[in-house]
Amino acid sequence: DSGVTQTPKHLITATGQRVTLRCSPRSGDLSVYWYQQSLDQGLQFLIQYYNGEERAKGNILERFSAQQFPDLHSELNLSSLELGDSALYFCASSLSATPYNEQFFGPGTRLTVL
Amino acid sequence: AQTVTQSQPEMSVQEAETVTLSCTYDTSENNYYLFWYKQPPSRQMILVIRQEAYKQQNATENRFSVNFQKAAKSFSLKISDSQLGDTAMYFCAFSKAAGNKLTFGGGTRVLVKP
Repeated sequence: DSGVTQTPKHLITATGQRVTLRCSPRSGDLSVYWYQQSLDQGLQFLIQYYNGEERAKGNILERFSAQQFPDLHSELNLSSLELGDSALYFCASSLSATPYNEQFFGPGTRLTVL
Repeated sequence: AQTVTQSQPEMSVQEAETVTLSCTYDTSENNYYLFWYKQPPSRQMILVIRQEAYKQQNATENRFSVNFQKAAKSFSLKISDSQLGDTAMYFCAFSKAAGNKLTFGGGTRVLVKP
């Protein structure tokens, strides 16, 4: 158990819908990262927040947005869902925003878009 | 942009034997970090080992060691005395020193046979 929690574990929805994935970082960690793992794209970085502020952006679609709240939990919002959005979405957390501190990954949320 | 390439999609090894996974990367950065992550069938991402580019000494963690060749931009992982629990996908990853966004390779599936 990494200490990072993600809810829900599984999500099945239809095209065009909107979903919210939630992540609670390890106690004391200020930085949160979102990654997408799909058969087509592999594992790719989406976005990073540090202490409530967006820190880095990767290949995140405009239909996707994220935020980190004052209690440091984070949410990833996916809208106008398409079949290709089906993937495993990981959240990770680390103490700081530098690679000196290890990123700990949550168990992931499996999203299936039908 | 950084790229990470793992040229071996799949490898098998007998229990107690040694297996070496290849990883090459492309970057113009001088300071960076390299990682190997393990993803067992549970899908949990687990950090196996990491290397800081400015350190010439190769990192080791118990049965896991790396061969870091900075000039060749190569970062291979050696698993010694392979155990059944080592069966997993292994991902090579890169991060700039000034940031913590991970760029992953495509992965190598390792099967340890009894």
